[in-house]
Amino acid sequence: ILNVEQSPQSLHVQEGDSTNFTCSFPSSNFYALHWYRWETAKSPEALFVMTLNGDEKKKGRISATLNTKEGYSYLYIKGSQPEDSATYLCASYAGGTSYGKLTFGQGTILTVHP
Amino acid sequence: SAVISQKPSRDICQRGTSLTIQCQVDSQVTMMFWYRQQPGQSLTLIATANQGSEATYESGFVIDKFPISRPNLTFSTLTVSNMSPEDSSIYLCSVAGGARTEAFFGQGTRLTVV
Repeated sequence: ILNVEQSPQSLHVQEGDSTNFTCSFPSSNFYALHWYRWETAKSPEALFVMTLNGDEKKKGRISATLNTKEGYSYLYIKGSQPEDSATYLCASYAGGTSYGKLTFGQGTILTVHP
Repeated sequence: SAVISQKPSRDICQRGTSLTIQCQVDSQVTMMFWYRQQPGQSLTLIATANQGSEATYESGFVIDKFPISRPNLTFSTLTVSNMSPEDSSIYLCSVAGGARTEAFFGQGTRLTVV
């Protein structure tokens, strides 16, 4: 995998449903994997920064896992609420001469219907 | 953490004109980053803005089209020059995320070129 890829591109769920998205990234030269939530007309907001293979992080109803050997991360939302509606972005950080630069996937647009 | 004020939040411009986007950070930062998201595409890095030196542009982006200023450690501007409809995008400024730290973003500039 040369680029960061996210799936699905969009997702519609009912309030209360649990859902998950996938982020695939190059496993070579890996330093960190970032997840952001981006609501319309707002700044992208960080959810997680993950570095270790097997890492699992949780923030409220949202959690994420990381597999650096195979190059993928999952983001889970338990009991989705309408306020979870946003675009979820993952980004790979390669470090070194790429200090500070993030390579983003296309994002997953989540719509939670009341 | 960092708070970034970006303006304008949106604009509709005529083709052939130029637009300058400003970002003000509430703390001093060495590097700032400018990203673009074209419709249906990933957030893509345009350039890195360093205080006291020329900006560093990514492949496919050139200074004549996207001149950048970085007069001090808290401020940067990106100009989109000689605009065409293909420049219609969301433009975001950012301060660095890395292996352990999240990135912080402005609120974005939604540009439509007609």
